Amino acid sequence: AQTVTQSQPEMSVQEAETVTLSCTYDTSESDYYLFWYKQPPSRQMILVIRQEAYKQQNATENRFSVNFQKAAKSFSLKISDSQLGDAAMYFCAYRSNNNDMRFGAGTRLTVKP
Amino acid sequence: DAMVIQNPRYQVTQFGKPVTLSCSQTLNHNVMYWYQQKSSQAPKLLFHYYDKDFNNEADTPDNFQSRRPNTSFCFLDIRSPGLGDTAMYLCATASGDYVVGSSGYTFGSGTRLTVV
Repeated sequence: AQTVTQSQPEMSVQEAETVTLSCTYDTSESDYYLFWYKQPPSRQMILVIRQEAYKQQNATENRFSVNFQKAAKSFSLKISDSQLGDAAMYFCAYRSNNNDMRFGAGTRLTVKP
Repeated sequence: DAMVIQNPRYQVTQFGKPVTLSCSQTLNHNVMYWYQQKSSQAPKLLFHYYDKDFNNEADTPDNFQSRRPNTSFCFLDIRSPGLGDTAMYLCATASGDYVVGSSGYTFGSGTRLTVV
C-alpha cells in the first residue's frame, strides 16, 4: 500500500516570508496524483494544489507551488509571501488509480505577524 | 452551489448507543468516502463506495457500517460506539473517472462525534 510521510509536525514562518513543507511518499505505481490540502481550525479540508505524476512541470497556484521530484518520490509545498490566513494544518495526499486517497500525518503551520 | 453536506455538525452519543451520520452531495460524483480523523491526526479512510460497490478498509472495525441508498446519500452507522470512536468524521466525494477526478476530493464540513 502507498504511504505518505510528512516529517515536519510543526513549522512556523514570519508573515510575508517563504516556507517549504516537505512530503515524501512510497509507491510502485507510475501514474497517480498528488495533492496538498489545507485544514484550518474550522476543519473543512480545502484543496490547495495538485500535481499529476506524468507531468514534469511543477504545479503553481498563485503563492503556492510544488517541487515534484518523481524519482525521489518527493512532493514539497512552497508558500510564498505567507499570510496570517495561511495558518492551518497542511496535509499531503496521494491518490492512486484505485480511487483511494492516503494522507500524511500533517504539518501544523503557524504564521507569525 | 454544488457541495457535500454532512449532518449533524456535532453529535453527542452515549457509550454503546447506535448513531448514524449522514452525508449528501449535489455533485453527482459516483465515489463517496468516509474518513475518521482524531485530534491532530491525519484522516483515516474507513471505506468508500464506487457507485453501489462497497470497499472496506482491512482495519476498519466491524462496529462501523455504511449504506448508500442512492447516488446522493451515504450514511455511516456506528453500531456500538466506544469512547475511542470520539473523532471528526469526514465525508468526501470524487469522480470515479480517474482523469476527471484529478481535481481531488470534495470534502464536507465534517461531523464531530463525542461518545460519553
